[in-house]
Amino acid sequence: SQQGEEDPQALSIQEGENATMNCSYKTSINNLQWYRQNSGRGLVHLILIRSNEREKHSGRLRVTLDTSKKSSSLLITASRAADTASYFCATDDNQGGKLIFGQGTELSVKP
Amino acid sequence: DARVTQTPRHKVTEMGQEVTMRCQPILGHNTVFWYRQTMMQGLELLAYFRNRAPLDDSGMPKDRFSAEMPDATLATLKIQPSEPRDSAVYFCASGLGTGVDEKLFFGSGTQLSVL
Repeated sequence: SQQGEEDPQALSIQEGENATMNCSYKTSINNLQWYRQNSGRGLVHLILIRSNEREKHSGRLRVTLDTSKKSSSLLITASRAADTASYFCATDDNQGGKLIFGQGTELSVKP
Repeated sequence: DARVTQTPRHKVTEMGQEVTMRCQPILGHNTVFWYRQTMMQGLELLAYFRNRAPLDDSGMPKDRFSAEMPDATLATLKIQPSEPRDSAVYFCASGLGTGVDEKLFFGSGTQLSVL
């Protein structure tokens, strides 16, 4: 069963612009993770935010978490053509270890 | 550079045939996950193991799918008999097994086409 739902399903922007993707989930979590998938490849872990954290940064990535709304957002600043990929949020089942992924946001960054 | 290795990368087979997909997790990782990815359903968790023991395979059709870890360096996913609706990309992922805050490392996947 799906836990996370991403929004939008697809996003197209110009290089240099910021990209924001949102994720909503249904049940309580220990953490929320974001992964990236390039076409034809496996997923790559980007960032993890714990349920007691509200914001986290890693390079050009900024993740926020609002547990009261059961939602998270991923912001990619100053996007590059190489950021073109699908981005997935994943949440655990609050019992430790089992990750459930959302449907993903397909990001296209045009040079 | 440590990585999860999956074989084969591509598999084309006919309906009714047995399919075996293999995964070599990263050395030292003790959790292994199998996911299936399709356009319609996205990423579905099929099964996962910790220390070679199956913890949850509720996402797997039991009548035709089976997942095992014969040893710590090999995980297998079998489909017998295969059906066209099994066509998908199957991913294996491994983790350190820390439970909370565990991040996963994915293989490149096996793209399965059942004709």
